Amino acid sequence: DAEITQSPRHKITETGRQVTLACHQTWNHNNMFWYRQDLGHGLRLIHYSYGVQDTNKGEVSDGYSVSRSNTEDLPLTLESAASSQTSVYFCASSVGRRAEAFFGQGTRLTVV
Amino acid sequence: GIQVEQSPPDLILQEGANSTLRCNFSDSVNNLQWFHQNPWGQLINLFYIPSGTKQNGRLSATTVATERYSLLYISSSQTTDSGVYFCAVGGGAQKLVFGQGTRLTINP
Repeated sequence: DAEITQSPRHKITETGRQVTLACHQTWNHNNMFWYRQDLGHGLRLIHYSYGVQDTNKGEVSDGYSVSRSNTEDLPLTLESAASSQTSVYFCASSVGRRAEAFFGQGTRLTVV
Repeated sequence: GIQVEQSPPDLILQEGANSTLRCNFSDSVNNLQWFHQNPWGQLINLFYIPSGTKQNGRLSATTVATERYSLLYISSSQTTDSGVYFCAVGGGAQKLVFGQGTRLTINP
């Protein structure tokens, strides 16, 4: 079955380290998104992509970057992890302009 | 940008009760989805409903786009319905803006 998967599911890292979270989808969706979920803030958009080589900043993009070299993957990189980036991260994908989005299982990241 | 408000923020019910969750949004939208986040943190798609009414078992949803609101109805609640329900909307772009959610607790 087509799906969207995130890895790792849990990660603990130290302040200042570079961290990359993976997101892979097999639906051939052109749209991919990264959100973070924090208590009291719901889900907020970090970065998104509408296709290969396209990336855009979302509401809370500082300290994060993404790249889209193929349709299936949108890795999220924390350049220098900070304790404020401790959160649960969700990846999502959708096809087209008016289409349902589907979410991965989430990655719980702890920065110590 | 689009603002999304959900109400109530918390709802505690007994098993078997019915409930209505509301989502108000500040601008016209092309996309509206309802999600259930279960106790394990998974986001489960409930409805894709930018307009109109849909039903799926004990759950149904209605979106009145011209009045900028959507309602999620849960009938005959079960303990497995507990969790957080999110409304998310999209305007001209494909990205979604989420509400703060409604935390539903169903007691046996």
